[in-house]
Amino acid sequence: DAGVIQSPRHEVTEMGQEVTLRCKPISGHNSLFWYRQTMMRGLELLIYFNNNVPIDDSGMPEDRFSAKMPNASFSTLKIQPSEPRDSAVYFCASSLRRGNANYEQYFGPGTRLTVT
Amino acid sequence: SQQGEEDPQALSIQEGENATMNCSYKTSINNLQWYRQNSGRGLVHLILIRSNEREKHSGRLRVTLDTSKKSSSLLITASRAADTASYFCATDVLETRGSRLTFGEGTQLTVNP
Repeated sequence: DAGVIQSPRHEVTEMGQEVTLRCKPISGHNSLFWYRQTMMRGLELLIYFNNNVPIDDSGMPEDRFSAKMPNASFSTLKIQPSEPRDSAVYFCASSLRRGNANYEQYFGPGTRLTVT
Repeated sequence: SQQGEEDPQALSIQEGENATMNCSYKTSINNLQWYRQNSGRGLVHLILIRSNEREKHSGRLRVTLDTSKKSSSLLITASRAADTASYFCATDVLETRGSRLTFGEGTQLTVNP
């Protein structure tokens, strides 16, 4: 298995531009998570999906952020418009959820976003 | 504040020594997990311990869980330079919307050759 795939690996954009991050989870996994990591705030959960349905988006910073999961093998995280404070590494992770608990999550390599 | 808080924030040891990292949390958990992150990489799952377990081993890793003290420890024995990384504990907590995994701020481990 190729693991969780994220694209792009690096993104540099100007303030005000739209940014779209992409994620392909591990085949067979039914949960997908988007995280943001910065030195100041550590690793933050933005949103997660179970069976393609958004369950908890309370970590999404504001309306500029949106996430979709149109099918079991693809998810996007969009920032529109982007701001310099959005600069961070964004991770996608997937897992096979059983029952009502979270088990091991498999992380992608991350997308390093720089907004100038 | 974070559900899981690691201690110490940074640890520097010599190769061959043991490294112990601690994690404290605040609420009841389903399970507790430890992850490693090498610089510039994604997190890698190391070990999971359920709330009804007290100790678990995996190779050179030993994890303990004390639910009465709401704490866990990760022991890496006979450390190697390749163990240099950040280590995070993550607690799985049941909430009204379902359970969510919350990561601590991590311990930066440096193993000197």
